[in-house]
Amino acid sequence: AAGVIQSPRHLIKEKRETATLKCYPIPRHDTVYWYQQGPGQDPQFLISFYEKMQSDKGSIPDRFSAQQFSDYHSELNMSSLELGDSALYFCASSPQTGNTIYFGEGSWLTVV
Amino acid sequence: GESVGLHLPTLSVQEGDNSIINCAYSNSASDYFIWYKQESGKGPQFIIDIRSNMDKRQGQRVTVLLNKTVKHLSLQIAATQPGDSAVYFCAEIRTGANSKLTFGKGITLSVRP
Repeated sequence: AAGVIQSPRHLIKEKRETATLKCYPIPRHDTVYWYQQGPGQDPQFLISFYEKMQSDKGSIPDRFSAQQFSDYHSELNMSSLELGDSALYFCASSPQTGNTIYFGEGSWLTVV
Repeated sequence: GESVGLHLPTLSVQEGDNSIINCAYSNSASDYFIWYKQESGKGPQFIIDIRSNMDKRQGQRVTVLLNKTVKHLSLQIAATQPGDSAVYFCAEIRTGANSKLTFGKGITLSVRP
């Protein structure tokens, strides 16, 4: 079965640079979520989209932005990167009429 | 919720024993609850879910119990195996147009051979 696809799997950036993470949800899933997980920490909700509109916002820094495109894939843009942004970033998707949310394998971002 | 820092609570069990992982949730308006398993460097993997109008659901080797009175969720793993070693998260979901999943505190399950 198709799963949530994230790219790139690993990314190394320098401080103050910009990074873009991509997420391709499970087919026919119209809701996408982004989470950030620091080392040894619980995943923290960043932002979510339903039908290409932002539906909820969590602890996402102002330096970050995201959008969902017409094909339902989503991109998380991170600018002015800081060392503290180093984390595992997860994307998840769900159908609007369903309940279960499935996660991708994550994108490792390392800021040096 | 807030992160607890670098050290997650740990449950150590003997291989073959049953494991019980507990979780307290906060939002009485949540519609669904899910247990996820996360292995090192990987994404959370769905284990089992339960609707808020149920109090028990069984899967293969796993059972989830929901006590809405005290906002408590538990995951029971029968005959725990080394491959069950991972961090386990409970999550509560509010469904609808503004669907949102909130993770509980992760618990590390360590299986002793």
